[in-house]
Amino acid sequence: SQKIEQNSEALNIQEGKTATLTCNYTNYSPAYLQWYRQDPGRGPVFLLLIRENEKEKRKERLKVTFDTTLKQSLFHITASQPADSATYLCAALGTGANNLFFGTGTRLTVIP
Amino acid sequence: NAGVTQTPKFQVLKTGQSMTLQCAQDMNHNSMYWYRQDPGMGLRLIYYSASEGTTDKGEVPNGYNVSRLNKREFSLRLESAAPSQTSVYFCASSEYTANNSPLHFGNGTRLTVT
Repeated sequence: SQKIEQNSEALNIQEGKTATLTCNYTNYSPAYLQWYRQDPGRGPVFLLLIRENEKEKRKERLKVTFDTTLKQSLFHITASQPADSATYLCAALGTGANNLFFGTGTRLTVIP
Repeated sequence: NAGVTQTPKFQVLKTGQSMTLQCAQDMNHNSMYWYRQDPGMGLRLIYYSASEGTTDKGEVPNGYNVSRLNKREFSLRLESAAPSQTSVYFCASSEYTANNSPLHFGNGTRLTVT
């Protein structure tokens, strides 16, 4: 069955370093991947969408890559700050145009 | 703009009771969704509505019904609540299909069934 996996449940990094989060997908080839941020007690907030032919996309300190050979997306936060501490979710479409599958998320903690 | 508004924020039910979770969006979006989020399971799609007047099942629809009342509102009904339905429920909307439109989420309803 189609699967989205975020292998790291939690990641701690020092302020100022680059955080790299991984999202792997199996048993299908999504045309788009999306990344969201979720803070405790809140709903997810959309960050970036990358298409399979884009390879890389940037927004301020955020960068997302999409490697269709490795079936993987990497999400980078450069010059990380304590305010970046949150859970980050990746998502990709399953069967049908509205069936968005989410990974279980990686909880990032940026240590001052 | 309020975005996506969910009510209530918290609810406790006894097994067998029924309730309706309300969701409204003010962004004139076409598609709306109901997800549940459980520890270790991630967000799972219950039902969605691609446009006003249509609804479709997602990954985990059993025990739930939905109504797309108009373009703004999409409600989720539990007819006979079970402890397995204890979860956080999120409503979301998107301008077009989830294929290439980001989802906008509400802040959730925390439901406990005892």
